[in-house]
Amino acid sequence: SQQGEEDPQALSIQEGENATMNCSYKTSINNLQWYRQNSGRGLVHLILIRSNEREKHSGRLRVTLDTSKKSSSLLITASRAADTASYFCATDAENYGGSQGNLIFGKGTKLSVKP
Amino acid sequence: NAGVTQTPKFQVLKTGQSMTLQCAQDMNHNSMYWYRQDPGMGLRLIYYSASEGTTDKGEVPNGYNVSRLNKREFSLRLESAAPSQTSVYFCATTWYFPTGNYEQYFGPGTRLTVT
Repeated sequence: SQQGEEDPQALSIQEGENATMNCSYKTSINNLQWYRQNSGRGLVHLILIRSNEREKHSGRLRVTLDTSKKSSSLLITASRAADTASYFCATDAENYGGSQGNLIFGKGTKLSVKP
Repeated sequence: NAGVTQTPKFQVLKTGQSMTLQCAQDMNHNSMYWYRQDPGMGLRLIYYSASEGTTDKGEVPNGYNVSRLNKREFSLRLESAAPSQTSVYFCATTWYFPTGNYEQYFGPGTRLTVT
C-alpha cells in the first residue's frame, strides 16, 4: 500500500539551480516527512511538516503541504553536487500498523546535481 | 554513539538457506523497524516493535520472523530464503520529541542476494 508517490522519478539539474520534488498521498495524515538517501546508505531525516502547517523551512530546504490536494513539495534552493541523492516523502497514514511512528514511504525522486 | 548498526553488510544465500539479520541501537529508543527496499521502490515495512517485548507485522511480513531481544536489539530472520527476498534491508528506530514530532533513524543496510 504505497501511500506517497513522488514526482518526478528522476531530476537532473546544474549546480546553483533550484530543485523541486512533489509528493502526493492518499489518506489523511498527521504529518509528512522528507528523507534523503545517498547511494548505498540508509535514509536520513530532513524535515517534518504537520498537517496543520502549510510551509516550513530548514536551511536551503522549503517544504509545503496542501492537505486539500493531499500533496507536498520539497524545494532545494541553490543546489550543490552534494545534494545528489534520492529523496523520499513519508506519511504516517492514520492507523497504519496501529502505531504512531509507523511511516509509509514513497518510491522516491532521484536527484542528480551536475557541477 | 554508533546510532543504528546492522550486520552483516552483505550476504549471499542459496534458496532455502536461513539467516538472521542483526540490528542494534544505542539511542535508547523504544520503537524499532525492519524495512526492505527493492530497486526503484520506496521502503516497505516488514515488522516493527513499538517497545521491548512486542512485535507486530507490517506491510510485507510473509517469509520473515523477528525477535526483540531487548531494548537495544531487533533481529530479522529468514527461515527459508527465496529469490524474491533479494533486497536491501534497513533497520530503523524512532525518536519522539517533546513537541510531538518524531523522526526515524536508519542503519546502513544489509544487501542480501538469494540465488
